[in-house]
Amino acid sequence: KAGVTQTPRYLIKTRGQQVTLSCSPISGHRSVSWYQQTPGQGLQFLFEYFSETQRNKGNFPGRFSGRQFSNSRSEMNVSTLELGDSALYLCASSQAPRTASLGGYTFGSGTRLTVV
Amino acid sequence: GQQLNQSPQSMFIQEGEDVSMNCTSSSIFNTWLWYKQDPGEGPVLLIALYKAGELTSNGRLTAQFGITRKDSFLNISASIPSDVGIYFCAGLNYGGSQGNLIFGKGTKLSVKP
Repeated sequence: KAGVTQTPRYLIKTRGQQVTLSCSPISGHRSVSWYQQTPGQGLQFLFEYFSETQRNKGNFPGRFSGRQFSNSRSEMNVSTLELGDSALYLCASSQAPRTASLGGYTFGSGTRLTVV
Repeated sequence: GQQLNQSPQSMFIQEGEDVSMNCTSSSIFNTWLWYKQDPGEGPVLLIALYKAGELTSNGRLTAQFGITRKDSFLNISASIPSDVGIYFCAGLNYGGSQGNLIFGKGTKLSVKP
């Protein structure tokens, strides 16, 4: 069973640019959550999607957005990048929101975003 | 908002020693999860706990869901060099702006051969 796949693994962007990250969940999982990980703040929740609808959102500015497609794959977009957006962006998949059983909340390897 | 206090922040131990780390919260959770993260990788789920008082093992790892539902601990027995990494606890929360998974700050484990 394939795990959670995140692409790309590494990205270097310039301040002011925008970026799109992709996440393919485990087959059969319909919920995708996104987290930002930084040394200072740790793992912080961005948003969660289920059945193409955003179900929950963290305390991040509107520059951070996401969407989910009918095949459960999800993308997150960050516009007008700032230096402070440099982080490891992780997605986790689960069968449904708030369901940790049956392999739920399995993380991908992340996308390392560096903003220069 | 909800916070998880994870301790210790770091540990330096000798190979073969046992390790214990824990997480406490001011509010209850319905599920506790323990993850391990290697550098440059995503967290890997080690153990999931679903009921208060539950004690679950995964090889040399043992974790317990506290009876009050506000705490959990993870023990590693007979540590080996590949146990090196950062261990995170996470509580599963039903919604709110902090999201579904609330993470501790992590315990960095170093093992001397």
